[in-house]
Amino acid sequence: EAGVTQFPSHSVIEKGQTVTLRCDPISGHDNLYWYRRVMGKEIKFLLHFVKESKQDESGMPNNRFLAERTGGTYSTLKVQPAELEDSGVYFCASSQRGAPGLDEQYFGPGTRLTVT
Amino acid sequence: AQSVTQLGSHVSVSEGALVLLRCNYSSSVPPYLFWYVQYPNQGLQLLLKYTSAATLVKGINGFEAEFKKSETSFHLTKPSAHMSDAAEYFCAVSKNNAGNMLTFGGGTRLMVKP
Repeated sequence: EAGVTQFPSHSVIEKGQTVTLRCDPISGHDNLYWYRRVMGKEIKFLLHFVKESKQDESGMPNNRFLAERTGGTYSTLKVQPAELEDSGVYFCASSQRGAPGLDEQYFGPGTRLTVT
Repeated sequence: AQSVTQLGSHVSVSEGALVLLRCNYSSSVPPYLFWYVQYPNQGLQLLLKYTSAATLVKGINGFEAEFKKSETSFHLTKPSAHMSDAAEYFCAVSKNNAGNMLTFGGGTRLMVKP
């Protein structure tokens, strides 16, 4: 069974440009999460999808970030326009039921975004 | 609000020595607690989790952690370090309800010396 995949693995863009990150969850997992780790800081929650609906987007930094999950399958996270402080590693995770303690979140390898 | 503190961003041990990675949490409700490990160029992998059953939790690769409510701690231990244990370790907490967002500590990078 394939794990959570993320594309690209690395992205280097200039300030002001647009970048779109993609996450493919494990097949059959209704819950999809985005997290971000800025260098030197802790991993922080961005948002949570249940199927195609946003269950919790309390961690989204600002309106330059747009997350979508088409048809409840893969998800994209677009940053437009990118700023220097957006640099970091963006992780995607998926789980089957979304119940804490009963349901493991499986993480992808992350996308390393560098904004110059 | 929940928070997680991992003492020591870098820990170095000799091969065969005890591994002790510290984690303290704060939570307004009884939490679920997790330890994840990240090997180079890989995603985070769940090592073990505490879900209000036994306070001593055994995980993969010989790791275990003990939930101590009085100390609000969930330290990770392994009796004998192996070179393959070199990785970054993350402690995380989740609320005891639906909405499964994880709150992470800052991570501890474990180095194992031969």
